[in-house]
Amino acid sequence: DTGVSQDPRHKITKRGQNVTFRCDPISEHNRLYWYRQTLGQGPEFLTYFQNEAQLEKSRLLSDRFSAERPKGSFSTLEIQRTEQGDSAMYLCASSPGTDRGAGELFFGEGSRLTVL
Amino acid sequence: EDQVTQSPEALRLQEGESSSLNCSYTVSGLRGLFWYRQDPGKGPEFLFTLYSAGEEKEKERLKATLTKKESFLHITAPKPEDSATYLCAVRDNYGQNFVFGPGTRLSVLP
Repeated sequence: DTGVSQDPRHKITKRGQNVTFRCDPISEHNRLYWYRQTLGQGPEFLTYFQNEAQLEKSRLLSDRFSAERPKGSFSTLEIQRTEQGDSAMYLCASSPGTDRGAGELFFGEGSRLTVL
Repeated sequence: EDQVTQSPEALRLQEGESSSLNCSYTVSGLRGLFWYRQDPGKGPEFLFTLYSAGEEKEKERLKATLTKKESFLHITAPKPEDSATYLCAVRDNYGQNFVFGPGTRLSVLP
């Protein structure tokens, strides 16, 4: 399968613990996005990478959240000191690097986080 | 700030009963408007991109149209397998962010 893959698919953790999610984008895509989605809502933008550079970050993003994309390939999203409000689906998406068209996003299956 | 709203929030149709979903948007310079389908517990699946007012795209029973302020997703003779949440998103000319609406939950009953 050559789509976007995310790991783990499900994570249950206790409040205060740290969690990390991994995303492997489509191999020829150099743009990578992280979104968060809660029940009944659309995806909410968290951050964007072009290659290894983090170029945009939501101003709503807490300092407890950090993302990396070493070497411009896979990406990780870490949440430190989790809170119950962090419970959500975390979606990764990738997009072709050229600006032909509007750069459609291709999503992974998501990582569902439950904070107890 | 770019904004997207969708209506109705939920829609129940009988199999074969055609209808339309609405996406209203405000954006400073539209680069593209996108429709996605999302099944429960899965990531959104790309359906269409529309670039300018008057444009239409079709795929099987779905047709998307675009005006300067809104987009419609028309579903013709839907089948139960069309049941899903349909998301609309916009991207403007000035950033890389895609702004999503809350979605319309479509249920098609046999």
